[in-house]
Formats: sequence, C-alpha cells, structure tokens
Amino acid sequence: TQLLEQSPQFLSIQEGENLTVYCNSSSVFSSLQWYRQEPGEGPVLLVTVVTGGEVKKLKRLTFQFGDARKDSSLHITAAQPGDTGLYLCAGAGGGSNYKLTFGKGTLLTVNP
Amino acid sequence: IAGITQAPTSQILAAGRRMTLRCTQDMRHNAMYWYRQDLGLGLRLIHYSNTAGTTGKGEVPDGYSVSRANTDDFPLTLASAVPSQTSVYFCASSQREGLPQFFGPGTRLTVL
Repeated sequence: TQLLEQSPQFLSIQEGENLTVYCNSSSVFSSLQWYRQEPGEGPVLLVTVVTGGEVKKLKRLTFQFGDARKDSSLHITAAQPGDTGLYLCAGAGGGSNYKLTFGKGTLLTVNP
Repeated sequence: IAGITQAPTSQILAAGRRMTLRCTQDMRHNAMYWYRQDLGLGLRLIHYSNTAGTTGKGEVPDGYSVSRANTDDFPLTLASAVPSQTSVYFCASSQREGLPQFFGPGTRLTVL
C-alpha cells in the first residue's frame, strides 16, 4: 500500500506570512496532484507535477516535485484569508496501478 | 456547465434502511470513483469504475455496492445502512485512471 504523509496537519497563520506544507512517501509516484477543498465543497485540482524536480507556480503558490518523485511541497507566499482551506496531495502510482493515493491533508487557516 | 452532480445534498437515514446516492457527470470521463471523507481519516476510496460496465473495490468497500450501466452515471448503494456509514460522500471522475479527478459537491449522510 502506498502512503502519503502530509505535514503539518493543521496550520494557523496571519495574513501576509509565508508557509510550506509537505507531502512525503516512501513510494515513487508517476505524478502528484495538489487539491484545495473549501468547507462544504469537494476538492478542486490546483496543479499536477509529473517530472522529478519539477517546479510549478500558480500566482502566490509554488509546487515542487522531489527529484526522486517520492515527495512534494507547496509554498504559499504572502498568504491571504482566501487561501484558507484543506490542502490535499494525491499520488498516482506507476506501473499497472494508476489509482490515486490521497494524503489526509493540511488544514490551513489564514487569519486577517 | 460541465461537471459532476450528486444527489441528495444531505440525508438522515434510519439504520437498516436501503439508500442510493446518485452521481452523474457530463464530461464523458471514462473513470469514476466514490470516496468517503471522515475527520482524521481523509478521503478513502470505496469503489471505482475504469469504464462503463466495469467496477472495482477500493479501500473500504464493505457495505457498499456500485453499478456503471453507462458512462455518465455511477450510483452508490448502501444495502442496509449502519451508523458507521455516517460520513460525507464524494463522487469524482477523471478522463482515465490516474489523471486529475473532478469532484462533485458531496452528500452528507447521517445514519441513526
């Protein structure tokens, strides 16, 4: 079973601060996806990273896939209250198993 | 607007009753999934379907059944509901297994 560990589980910060959340595994993934889920809604895809070492930017969000494709990070610069939500990473396995494995998420609260 | 719809939005159900959660997508995606989301446990895959006419078991399939008679619909049935099935249920779809998933708005189910 492939497991994805996300840290921290909870993060409460002030508006304007920077933060990084992590997604780690002992397994290699063919790709890794990041989702954000707001209260009462389903997760929404933010980005997919495919190549080891890949960095993708989405406005103030920077996503990085580890060189070995076992881990990923999400860095938010100058967080805003609108960034509040549950951030989930999900890995797609290689070989014949392409089902997604989801981490348990990081619950981010950005206080005004 | 293309996407996934789920019905009902919420439901309170007596233990022992039969219940079907509905899910419809209009994106012509091949793969569909059912997850349950519980505090502290994250998203857990119940059942999936890689294409119309086929289904498979996920991480927590016991007590649930699914069918995939066509591309668009993927209903989830609880044959005899139990209180431990109280959860928020999300349906999702993707072009194929392993690719980014699009989630529905969820069904909040309470079994008393």
